[in-house]
Amino acid sequence: DAGVTQSPTHLIKTRGQHVTLRCSPISGHKSVSWYQQVLGQGPQFIFQYYEKEERGRGNFPDRFSARQFPNYSSELNVNALLLGDSALYLCASSLSAGRTDTQYFGPGTRLTVL
Amino acid sequence: AQKVTQAQTEISVVEKEDVTLDCVYETRDTTYYLFWYKQPPSGELVFLIRRNSFDEQNEISGRYSWNFQKSTSSFNFTITASQVVDSAVYFCALSESLADTGRRALTFGSGTRLQVQP
Repeated sequence: DAGVTQSPTHLIKTRGQHVTLRCSPISGHKSVSWYQQVLGQGPQFIFQYYEKEERGRGNFPDRFSARQFPNYSSELNVNALLLGDSALYLCASSLSAGRTDTQYFGPGTRLTVL
Repeated sequence: AQKVTQAQTEISVVEKEDVTLDCVYETRDTTYYLFWYKQPPSGELVFLIRRNSFDEQNEISGRYSWNFQKSTSSFNFTITASQVVDSAVYFCALSESLADTGRRALTFGSGTRLQVQP
């Protein structure tokens, strides 16, 4: 079975631009979470979606937004990019958004903002 | 707020040595889950283990073992007879309640980079 897939693998943008990152969860998983991992640090939670609804949001500005589609895939959008947005963006999927569910991660999208 | 501390930034060992990665956590939840993930150079986080707060039994899986001690809020990870392929960054994580929805997100430590030399 295919794992979590993310696209693109790498992305280079300039300050002020907008970016869209995409994620497809493991087949049968209905929850998707997004994390930001800055170099040398652990991942930081951005959003969690379940059944197309936002179920949680981390401490990120409104420039960050996301959505989940009927097929459970998800997009993360970042507007007005800043240099500090350069990071590895990880998507994780789980069966549901419950307390017992293990999150399985994709390979990530490495975003560089110049 | 919940917190995970991995005090060891980087560890270097020679192949076949045993190595223990430390993890200390803080939480006010009475029910919580702890995880270990491995991140090889490719960047993908690989799930290793999940432990709930009610189960303090140690677990062994091949060369890997985990020691969960609720009294000291620690969840340490030991690799026995390390191999070069074990070289990676290892993250300890705690499931966190999102107060408004009750859903869970993961709070990660800063990771421990393990280098296994041949």
